[in-house]
Amino acid sequence: AQSVAQPEDQVNVAEGNPLTVKCTYSVSGNPYLFWYVQYPNRGLQFLLKYITGDNLVKGSYGFEAEFNKSQTSFHLKKPSALVSDSALYFCAVRVGGYNKLIFGAGTRLAVHP
Amino acid sequence: NAGVTQTPKFRVLKTGQSMTLLCAQDMNHEYMYWYRQDPGMGLRLIHYSVGEGTTAKGEVPDGYNVSRLKKQNFLLGLESAAPSQTSVYFCASTFLQGQGEAFFGQGTRLTVV
Repeated sequence: AQSVAQPEDQVNVAEGNPLTVKCTYSVSGNPYLFWYVQYPNRGLQFLLKYITGDNLVKGSYGFEAEFNKSQTSFHLKKPSALVSDSALYFCAVRVGGYNKLIFGAGTRLAVHP
Repeated sequence: NAGVTQTPKFRVLKTGQSMTLLCAQDMNHEYMYWYRQDPGMGLRLIHYSVGEGTTAKGEVPDGYNVSRLKKQNFLLGLESAAPSQTSVYFCASTFLQGQGEAFFGQGTRLTVV
C-alpha cells in the first residue's frame, strides 16, 4: 500500500538552530514528493517538491529537503530556525493520476525564542 | 486573485441535517479536490474532479456527494450529517499540467452534534 509516514508528532527547536522534520514514503515507481505548511486557521501552502534530478531541493522561506531513494526518505530542513516557522508541516506523495496526494499525519514544529 | 475560496468557514449541524460546502477557484484549474483533516490523520481525499461535469471517489467518499457544474466551482454535499463527519474540510485545485503542487482554500470547520 502506498503511504507517507511522519514519525514525529512534534519537533521542538531553539531559534537559530538547524531543524529537521522527517518523512518516509512507500510508493511504487518514482515518487513525486511534496512538503506543505499550515499556519493556524489557514489552508495548506506549498513549500517545495521533488520530481527528479538533484536530491537536494530548495523551496520557500529558506526551507530545503533531501531526497534519499535508498532510505525512501524526504526530510525537510532549514539551517537556522525562526520563531515564525512554528506551524504544522505535512509531507505528501502523488499517487496515481490527476495529481492526487497522500499526506502524512503532520508534524508540529515549535521554534522557541 | 482570490485563489481558492471556501464558504462557509464555520458551521454547526445537528445529526441528520444536510448542507453544501462551496469551493470556488479563479485560476482556471482543471482539477479540484475535497479533503478532510482530522487530528493525527493528516488530510484524506474525499472526492475529486478532473473537469467540468466529472467527479470521482477518493479515499473516504461515504456520506458525501459532489458536483462540478462549472469549471470554477466544486460543491461538497452532506445529505444526512453524522458526528463522524465533524472535521475540517479543505478544497484544493491544481493545473492539469502541474506535477501535484496544489492550492488550498482556508478550510471549513464543521461540527455535527
